[in-house]
Parts: sequence; structure tokens; C-alpha cells
Amino acid sequence: EAEVAQSPRYKITEKSQAVAFWCDPISGHATLYWYRQILGQGPELLVQFQDESVVDDSQLPKDRFSAERLKGVDSTLKIQPAELGDSAMYLCATRDRRNTEAFFGQGTRLTVV
Amino acid sequence: AQSVAQPEDQVNVAEGNPLTVKCTYSVSGNPYLFWYVQYPNRGLQFLLKYITGDNLVKGSYGFEAEFNKSQTSFHLKKPSALVSDSALYFCAVMGSARQLTFGSGTQLTVLP
Repeated sequence: EAEVAQSPRYKITEKSQAVAFWCDPISGHATLYWYRQILGQGPELLVQFQDESVVDDSQLPKDRFSAERLKGVDSTLKIQPAELGDSAMYLCATRDRRNTEAFFGQGTRLTVV
Repeated sequence: AQSVAQPEDQVNVAEGNPLTVKCTYSVSGNPYLFWYVQYPNRGLQFLLKYITGDNLVKGSYGFEAEFNKSQTSFHLKKPSALVSDSALYFCAVMGSARQLTFGSGTQLTVLP
């Protein structure tokens, strides 16, 4: 069964350092979402791509966060510099053009120390 | 702006009893509605969706949900709860821009 792949699963970084997360969508999925989920809360959308184009990044803290999906396939989310408040689970989800439901990866749990 | 409310942070139910997890939504136009489940340190797993048609939709693991347009609700239900159903449940809405917005989640605990 096809899955959304995310790496790394866990990441510990010191504050002020740079950190990057990677997402490989299910083949053919044109829409890709990045979410941040603080422990015990619901996922909050950071950025939404349609193919290689950003559809919505209104909630992305652009002073420190960036996201790209250069070829409309895999995507990277970067934080520079990381702050203590960035500790959270970062989730990637993808959806194809025909179906409405999104499929999630296992997430990357980031701890900033 | 679209939004989802899950009014209960925690729902406890005895094994074998029916369960309901509540969800209300706000969105422009016709809503696409979803339920997802999350186990500790895992991503979200899709359970079921409402797009159009019958107000009662059936999904994975015996779960179903009832869409009520007048009350803008989409409650998750199961006739007989299992201990293994204990998890964090999220309701979500998708609007015309295909943005997927989640509620704050409800922790379901099924007691043996």
C-alpha cells in the first residue's frame, strides 16, 4: 500500500540551529500539505502546495520557516533558526486530484533544546 | 474562514457501549467533512468522509458519522466500542480552496 514518507522520524536540535524535514508523497498526488501539531492539539496548516505552486502559506512564519516543492513531487520544510517554541510534530499529507481525503505520513517529532 | 469545533476534550465509554464524538463546523459552500484517528507518535489515519448523498456515512473499523446540515454537525459514532478504539480523534473540514482544517481533537478512552 502506498504511503507518504517522512524523514527523519525524530530530530533533536539546539535553538538557533537550522533543521529540515523531508516529505515524499504518494505517487501522483498533486496536493501536499505541511502541518504543525503541538502535543495534545489539532494539526495547524503551515503551507499547502498544488503541484509546485504554493496555494496557501498564510500561517507560515516566513521569518524563519521556508518550504519548497521544486518539481512538484517531494517537499522540504526548513526552520532557521529554530526556537524552543518550534518543538512539535511536523506532519506531511498529500491528496490526489480525484479524491478528497488526504493521507498523512508518520510525522517528524522535533525537539528544540 | 472555515473552522471546526470539537467541544469535548475527553470522552470515556465502557467497552460494548455505543460511543459518540461530537463535531460542528463552519465553512462557505458545501462542506467536505472528515474524521481521522491518531495513535501516540503516529500520523493521522483516515476513517471516513462525507461529500454528498446519504447523511449517514460508514467508514473503517465499524465507525460511522451522521451529517446534519441544519445543525452544521458531523458526529462520529460506533454502536459498540472496543478498548482498541481508544485514541485521539480529529474532525476536519475542507472548503472550496481544498484547505483542510482540523478541530482540536477528542481523546476517546474505552474502559474494559
